[in-house]
Amino acid sequence: EIVLTQSPATLSLSPGERATLSCRASQSVGSYLAWYQQKPGQAPRLLIYDASNRATGVPARFSGSGSGGTDFTLTISSLEPEDFAVYYCQQRDNWPPRLTFGGGTKVEIK
Amino acid sequence: EVQLVESGGGLVQPGGSLRLSCAASGFTFSTYWMSWVRQAPGKGLEWVANIKGDGTQKYYVHSVEGRFTISRANAENSLYLQMSSLRAEDTALYYCARGPTGYRVDYWGQGTLVTVSS
Repeated sequence: EIVLTQSPATLSLSPGERATLSCRASQSVGSYLAWYQQKPGQAPRLLIYDASNRATGVPARFSGSGSGGTDFTLTISSLEPEDFAVYYCQQRDNWPPRLTFGGGTKVEIK
Repeated sequence: EVQLVESGGGLVQPGGSLRLSCAASGFTFSTYWMSWVRQAPGKGLEWVANIKGDGTQKYYVHSVEGRFTISRANAENSLYLQMSSLRAEDTALYYCARGPTGYRVDYWGQGTLVTVSS
């Protein structure tokens, strides 16, 4: 079973600052990693898929990258007030197609 | 516009049963895998189950195998989750979601709350 570990658990930053979120997989997931944003009282929203592709309508300040199939980063280049939320990474087993989520990183206003 | 609307949540006693529904619209439902994902109060996301577009393949997280059954009615654009032998640890907001599409889930409903308590 692949485990996704996100760090840090909480990131305290100010609007305009750069946010760097990490997701580490216990074994290679290739480039098949997704990122979601969840605001309080709302459903998750897909931000990034296949490690680096922005979903429809996602602003360009969000970017994703990966290295070696196990280390992935979500970067928010300049935080807007609406970006303060919890972010989750997710992978899918090749077969059967079971999904796994990381524990989440909360980006809070400093 | 893709829309997913869950219903059927509520308060149920330990050992009881509940059936969740998800009404889908805005896409060709029968061609997509669909999933249920849950979120316990104040906790993270946990995938529960998914089902292939034609209903022939179904998979579950180990903790619900034998207790939960995912199904779909493509003629009605509906997804279901039959839950039995419910436990306190099943208390969560249950989301209906489209996917996996490739390796991601691309649309989510707003969730329906299941509370298991005596």
